[in-house]
Amino acid sequence: GQQVMQIPQYQHVQEGEDFTTYCNSSTTLSNIQWYKQRPGGHPVFLIQLVKSGEVKKQKRLTFQFGEAKKNSSLHITATQTTDVGTYFCAGQDRGSTLGRLYFGRGTQLTVWP
Amino acid sequence: NAGVTQTPKFQVLKTGQSMTLQCAQDMNHEYMSWYRQDPGMGLRLIHYSVGAGITDQGEVPNGYNVSRSTTEDFPLRLLSAAPSQTSVYFCASSYGRQGNQPQHFGDGTRLSIL
Repeated sequence: GQQVMQIPQYQHVQEGEDFTTYCNSSTTLSNIQWYKQRPGGHPVFLIQLVKSGEVKKQKRLTFQFGEAKKNSSLHITATQTTDVGTYFCAGQDRGSTLGRLYFGRGTQLTVWP
Repeated sequence: NAGVTQTPKFQVLKTGQSMTLQCAQDMNHEYMSWYRQDPGMGLRLIHYSVGAGITDQGEVPNGYNVSRSTTEDFPLRLLSAAPSQTSVYFCASSYGRQGNQPQHFGDGTRLSIL
């Protein structure tokens, strides 16, 4: 079955430092989505990548989808305390017609002021 | 502007009790799903539905039943609760029938089994 692996599990940074989380799949993905979950909250959709090699930016956040559509990354430039939370990737197997969306285990980001 | 509504928000059960977690959405979304979230394990798919009358199993379906009689509602049933089912449960919905659209999550149900 499909597995979406995400690393690191935890990341502690000082405010102003950069942060990156990586997502890898054992199979080719049709698309990948990224979510943010604040402590005590629910996951909130950030972005979706569909095309091979796609790069999208949202202010200080940069999202990439690998050429082979098996990996993705989220990079935050100059972290702020408001970036605290857990970031999840979620992917769907390109060959799947069943509608299953698999989440990685998430990267929990702590930002020290 | 309700979105996805989950009830109850908190629940404590004894081992062996049954319970239904409710999920309703008012966005006319075809795709709905249930996830459980445990520390360090991320979100694991329990069951999902691509429309009324159609459901399928996810990664961790054992111990849970679902049905989808209407587009709006997707309840999750625990027939005989076990301590291993202590978790936070999230319901999500999205446009379309493939699960490849942005997921809208409810606020979650925090369930403890004693």
